[in-house]
Order: sequence, then C-alpha cells, then structure tokens
Amino acid sequence: ETGVTQTPRHLVMGMTNKKSLKCEQHLGHNAMYWYKQSAKKPLELMFVYSLEERVENNSVPSRFSPECPNSSHLFLHLHTLQPEDSALYLCASSQGPYSANSPLHFGNGTRLTVT
Amino acid sequence: TQLLEQSPQFLSIQEGENLTVYCNSSSVFSSLQWYRQEPGEGPVLLVTVVTGGEVKKLKRLTFQFGDARKDSSLHITAAQPGDTGLYLCAGGAMEYGNKLVFGAGTILRVKS
Repeated sequence: ETGVTQTPRHLVMGMTNKKSLKCEQHLGHNAMYWYKQSAKKPLELMFVYSLEERVENNSVPSRFSPECPNSSHLFLHLHTLQPEDSALYLCASSQGPYSANSPLHFGNGTRLTVT
Repeated sequence: TQLLEQSPQFLSIQEGENLTVYCNSSSVFSSLQWYRQEPGEGPVLLVTVVTGGEVKKLKRLTFQFGDARKDSSLHITAAQPGDTGLYLCAGGAMEYGNKLVFGAGTILRVKS
C-alpha cells in the first residue's frame, strides 16, 4: 500500500456529470495538495490544505471544488467540466507546512477524460 | 516562459550510455528537488539539494546544484531500462515567495 492512495485510477465523464476524486494519505502528514498534470506542461498547483485549512487556491475555475474533511483525506469534486480539463490529477502530501522546502509524496493519480 | 526550464524535453538512449539533463532558471532558488515519474505512477522524490555547488550521489545518479543556485543537473552513468521515466525538477524561488514550482520535465527512454 502506497503512502498516498488515489481513487479512481481512471475516470471518463461527460460534461454534464458530477464526480469526485478521492485521496487518502497514511503518512501522518499535515499538508495535502491537488495538482493537474498535462502533457509537456509543468505540474500546475490547484489547491493546498494545511492542517485542514485551505491555504492556496491558484485561480482554479469553480467547476473544481476541493474538500478536506480531516488531515488524512482530500476530495476534488468535479461538475460541468470541459474537454480541456482532461488530464492526470495528482494528490500529494507533505510533512511540513506548505513551502518549497517540504518534499512531496504523490499518489499515482487519477487519469480524467472529459467527453 | 517557465520559471524552471528543463532540457532536453525528450532523450532516447541505449542501455549503458551516460546522459545529463538540465534544470535552469534566471531566478535564485532556496533549494531544488528532483523527482522521477514512471508511467502510470506519481512522481517520487529522488533528492533535494540546498547548498550552492552541492553534489549528491544516489548510486548511478549524480545531482549538482549550481554555485549561484540558479540551475541544477542530473547525470546518469551507464543508464539502464529501469531509469526510463519523466524527470522533474522543482524548487522555490525566493523572489516568488518560496512557493514550489515545477519544470515541464525530461522524458528519458533507455532501450535495451
């Protein structure tokens, strides 16, 4: 079992659907992150939660809605997505607070396809 | 333009060859991290370099942080098929509040 678990691994959804991505970390870390990974582009930070409080929201469209009910779980709720939202969505956690000096532990991602 | 430029974008080599990939910026970084991402998996941290001029070795991988802390390189000796993957550098630039940013990565393919 990896330290950071993401489900589902693959998701195909229509533009009118509502779905949720789930992330769980078993490392006792204090910060959790959502990243979007598209081909040939740098990882894009979407949201950061530190001690269950959202500390970063990188101008992400409102069709993406994060939820962090406790320090071990993170969700990304999706609704009325666009085809350009198709990507690999990665969850990560870090022991330390949100900073460049805190190494990230990633899950294996959810491959999202919007049709 | 990206804050961290990685080169080359893609590299395909034969098993046993040596290679170097680069991570460059015009900004000064407090530290740089290198990750490897294998197909179907998330990135895994390889190393963090924090001191200008620092060299770290991880088996056949050698990481170097530039003296001015604006660039880094990863050298792989005698590459093996298991080295195949996407290599990402990431770091925090002081002028941007030390928030972690990633390069676009170098895709390495090692053929047997």
